[in-house]
Amino acid sequence: GENVEQHPSTLSVQEGDSAVIKCTYSDSASNYFPWYKQELGKGPQLIIDIRSNVGEKKDQRIAVTLNKTAKHFSLHITETQPEDSAVYFCAASIRGSSASKIIFGSGTRLSIRP
Amino acid sequence: EAGVAQSPRYKIIEKRQSVAFWCNPISGHATLYWYQQILGQGPKLLIQFQNNGVVDDSQLPKDRFSAERLKGVDSTLKIQPAKLEDSAVYLCASSLNAGHNNEKLFFGSGTQLSVL
Repeated sequence: GENVEQHPSTLSVQEGDSAVIKCTYSDSASNYFPWYKQELGKGPQLIIDIRSNVGEKKDQRIAVTLNKTAKHFSLHITETQPEDSAVYFCAASIRGSSASKIIFGSGTRLSIRP
Repeated sequence: EAGVAQSPRYKIIEKRQSVAFWCNPISGHATLYWYQQILGQGPKLLIQFQNNGVVDDSQLPKDRFSAERLKGVDSTLKIQPAKLEDSAVYLCASSLNAGHNNEKLFFGSGTQLSVL
């Protein structure tokens, strides 16, 4: 079935360093790839998204890249700060008969060491 | 702008009991989603409504789970009877519209269910 795989499951980086999270998807018709950040006790919040007609998108310290041929997409966080500590989820759209739905990866717990 | 409201925040029940969760989406949002998030996993879509019609419920365990969205606004998700493996956070989300346009999902804080 359709799925999204995410790696690594946990990631610890020194404050100021970069963090990279990678995902792969199975449905070649997927055309929308959002990333969500979830803090403890809260629902996921969208931080950035990319559509299939774009290879890269950047928003301040966050960037996403998409390789449609390989069905890979990645999240890059530069100059990490303590407030970046959270669980990050990649997701992909899956086209249904009447609407698309968003399915999520298993998450990456990012810890920023002071 | 008010966010997605969910209640209760926490619920503890014994197995075989019934439970219901409530969600009020952002005003004007046509699409409403219920996701189940088991500890340590990503959210799993249970059911997706477009206005008051169901567009996807392929992952909803229909022998015990039911959901409705009367008048295309509020929604309730019910589990009857509950099993131990239903222990999870139940997240409600809404988006302005969906169809095949793929829009940003806004999530509520969720209801944490513990089945003992």
